[in-house]
Amino acid sequence: NAGVTQTPKFQVLKTGQSMTLQCAQDMNHEYMSWYRQDPGMGLRLIHYSVGAGITDQGEVPNGYNVSRSTTEDFPLRLLSAAPSQTSVYFCASSYRQRDEKLFFGSGTQLSVL
Amino acid sequence: DQQVKQNSPSLSVQEGRISILNCDYTNSMFDYFLWYKKYPAEGPTFLISISSIKDKNEDGRFTVFLNKSAKHLSLHIVPSQPGDSAVYFCAASGKTSGSRLTFGEGTQLTVNP
Repeated sequence: NAGVTQTPKFQVLKTGQSMTLQCAQDMNHEYMSWYRQDPGMGLRLIHYSVGAGITDQGEVPNGYNVSRSTTEDFPLRLLSAAPSQTSVYFCASSYRQRDEKLFFGSGTQLSVL
Repeated sequence: DQQVKQNSPSLSVQEGRISILNCDYTNSMFDYFLWYKKYPAEGPTFLISISSIKDKNEDGRFTVFLNKSAKHLSLHIVPSQPGDSAVYFCAASGKTSGSRLTFGEGTQLTVNP
């Protein structure tokens, strides 16, 4: 049982480049979300989805896009990377929207130069 | 505006002693509180939770206490073990936020043999 799988684990970008962080879960969870972790700031919610075709913004959505075409996948897109987006990114899922027990992926360490 | 705050970035205790991690919150709409544990290069994993209708929840060596009037919760680990060394995140959700957790900054716990 893979749980929540994130790829890549590490990525270095130049300012202005675009990329997609991949997230997939095999638990048939309705709810999926993206967080970023920065030193001294905990985890902050970027975007979330309560089901296929439904997405919404979290606390820090600027500079990021998401889509949810299937239950399993929830990619996060950086359209034009900026140094301020250097962070560790975590994808998380839960069985349903009201279920607070999130399952997290192992994270993507992103550096933007 | 940090709605969930962990004021101690780090805590060091001896093996076998009690570890007490603290968390304060400001949003009176929060009604469910969780603790997550995170090892390096891994995603956070759910540890224990408490609903606002309770003031204590226990699971083995881990106990969470909630003081609603003070908007304060704490995690007690007794006895502490070297394997407990990790970053601990406090998180909260409200009736309308569901899986959209608000996290604290985290506390690095080190348990010395």
